[in-house]
Amino acid sequence: LAKTTQPISMDSYEGQEVNITCSHNNIATNDYITWYQQFPSQGPRFIIQGYKTKVTNEVASLFIPADRKSSTLSLPRVSLSDTAVYYCLVGLYNFNKFYFGSGTKLNVKP
Amino acid sequence: ETGVTQTPRHLVMGMTNKKSLKCEQHLGHNAMYWYKQSAKKPLELMFVYSLEERVENNSVPSRFSPECPNSSHLFLHLHTLQPEDSALYLCASSQETALYNEQFFGPGTRLTVL
Repeated sequence: LAKTTQPISMDSYEGQEVNITCSHNNIATNDYITWYQQFPSQGPRFIIQGYKTKVTNEVASLFIPADRKSSTLSLPRVSLSDTAVYYCLVGLYNFNKFYFGSGTKLNVKP
Repeated sequence: ETGVTQTPRHLVMGMTNKKSLKCEQHLGHNAMYWYKQSAKKPLELMFVYSLEERVENNSVPSRFSPECPNSSHLFLHLHTLQPEDSALYLCASSQETALYNEQFFGPGTRLTVL
């Protein structure tokens, strides 16, 4: 499973667009890229998933360059309720190395 | 509500006690998971079940014993735990065990070992 690297924390203000980049240099050909969001004392919640190029849903966009060695989660016009930890995961079937990592703690300020 | 419920939500136990955590999913999924999240540590995958068969055990101490009687229920039996086992224990389910399947997490059980 490809190891991922994310910034430990980020600050933003309400209404801004936030981009969180994840590095996964050892991504395998069949690996998918998945992002989860976690609020304190709750389980993670799936946000978005992609394999290549760009994916958009009602809450976020995911940008994946052609070499797939990184990905960027984009949150448009964040609000205070988007304050959470965001995890980037890469993989397909191998649970032996499946881990969420430390994630990126996003702090949205008024 | 994610369709995954966990009981109890909070549990305090002594090191010599035996207790069980329960997880139930109402999503018709085939895979279920136990995770441990300690303070200021990444989420750790403990066990993976697919159609009631254990497919992964990530070097978890034997004082944690999982049980999956059917595809909707998952238990984690606890005995002779240590204070460092205090953590948030999360259950999750997904349609299949492939990592591209979205996992749905329960609210967790906050465990304190005295």
